[in-house]
Amino acid sequence: DAGVTQSPTHLIKTRGQQVTLRCSPKSGHDTVSWYQQALGQGPQFIFQYYEEEERQRGNFPDRFSGHQFPNYSSELNVNALLLGDSALYLCASSLALGTETQYFGPGTRLLVL
Amino acid sequence: DQQVKQNSPSLSVQEGRISILNCDYTNSMFDYFLWYKKYPAEGPTFLISISSIKDKNEDGRFTVFLNKSAKHLSLHIVPSQPGDSAVYFCAASARAGGTSYGKLTFGQGTILTVHP
Repeated sequence: DAGVTQSPTHLIKTRGQQVTLRCSPKSGHDTVSWYQQALGQGPQFIFQYYEEEERQRGNFPDRFSGHQFPNYSSELNVNALLLGDSALYLCASSLALGTETQYFGPGTRLLVL
Repeated sequence: DQQVKQNSPSLSVQEGRISILNCDYTNSMFDYFLWYKKYPAEGPTFLISISSIKDKNEDGRFTVFLNKSAKHLSLHIVPSQPGDSAVYFCAASARAGGTSYGKLTFGQGTILTVHP
């Protein structure tokens, strides 16, 4: 049973650039959530996708956008990168109905120089 | 506004003894709580959860206790093992609408070190 997978594992970008991170949910899951984890902090919710639509959003600027595909996989896009966007980006998958538990992938470590 | 707080940044325990990790929350709308364990360079791994209709849930060496009146939950690990050394996060969730859950709100984490 494949768990949540993310790519790439590491990424280095410069300020002002754009980045796309990818996530494949756990088999059987239909909902994908994205989190940002800064060093020494807990993960912060960015947004959640279900049925290819953004269902809920955290306190992140519009530079952060996402997409969900018909096969439930998802992308996180960040435009106009800032130094403060350097963090571990985590994807979590779950079932929309009937379960409250989110299962996390290994994350993508983004460094903005 | 930190709605979920883990006030102990670190905890050190001897192998075989009990580890108790604590978590406080402020939002009374939270009705589902989870504990995750995280090793360096890995994503959080789900450990155990509890619904607000219960006050205790047990799974092997792990037990979570929920005190709704105090808005406090704790994770007990008995007996503690060196492999339990990791960062532990508590998280809380509220129904986003209907029967579905939305975002998880995390605490800052507690670093647990279990000494042999």
